[in-house]
Amino acid sequence: SQQGEEDPQALSIQEGENATMNCSYKTSINNLQWYRQNSGRGLVHLILIRSNEREKHSGRLRVTLDTSKKSSSLLITASRAADTASYFCATRGMDSSYKLIFGSGTRLLVRP
Amino acid sequence: DGGITQSPKYLFRKEGQNVTLSCEQNLNHDAMYWYRQDPGQGLRLIYYSQIVNDFQKGDIAEGYSVSREKKESFPLTVTSAQKNPTAFYLCASRSDPANTEAFFGQGTRLTVV
Repeated sequence: SQQGEEDPQALSIQEGENATMNCSYKTSINNLQWYRQNSGRGLVHLILIRSNEREKHSGRLRVTLDTSKKSSSLLITASRAADTASYFCATRGMDSSYKLIFGSGTRLLVRP
Repeated sequence: DGGITQSPKYLFRKEGQNVTLSCEQNLNHDAMYWYRQDPGQGLRLIYYSQIVNDFQKGDIAEGYSVSREKKESFPLTVTSAQKNPTAFYLCASRSDPANTEAFFGQGTRLTVV
C-alpha cells in the first residue's frame, strides 16, 4: 500500500534547466520528506517539510507542501549532470506514524 | 565515524536456503527499518522496529523475519518461504520516528542462484 506517489516516473532535461517532481499522498501527515538515490546506493535525505510549512529551501532545492491537496513538489533549479538520480518522497504510514513509507520515485536524467 | 552499516554488499543464495542480512547502526537511533527495492521500483517496507525487543510487520513481511535484541542491530533473515527474494535490500534508522529523517545503509544486493 503506497502512501506517496511521485510523478512523473521519469524526467529527462538539459543541464541548466529546472526539474520539478511531484508527490501525492493519501492521509494526514506530520511531515513529508524528500530523498535522493544514486543508482545502486542507499538513499540520502534532502529536505523535510513539516505540515505547518508551505515552502522550504535548501541550496538549489525548493519544496512546497499543499496539505489541502495532499501534495508536494520538489524543484531543482539550474540542474547539473550530477543531479542525475532517483528522487523519492516519504510520509508516515496510513496506520502508524512510526512507519516511513516511500513513493515509487522519479528517475531524473540531466543531460550534459 | 557514525553511520549505518549493511553487510555483505553482495549475497548469493541457493534456492531453499535461509540467509541473514546484517544491519548495524551507531547513531543511537531507536527506530530501524528494512526495505526491499526491485529494479526501477520504489521502496517497500518489510519490517520496522520502534524500540528494542519490539518490531512490526510492514507491507511485504511474508517470507522474512527479524529480531531486535540490541538497539544497534536489526538483522533480516530471508527465509526459503520468500518465493522471489532476488532484490536490493536497504536498512534505515532514525531517532524520533515521527519527526526526523532516516539514515540509510548502502544496501545488500541478494541474488538467488
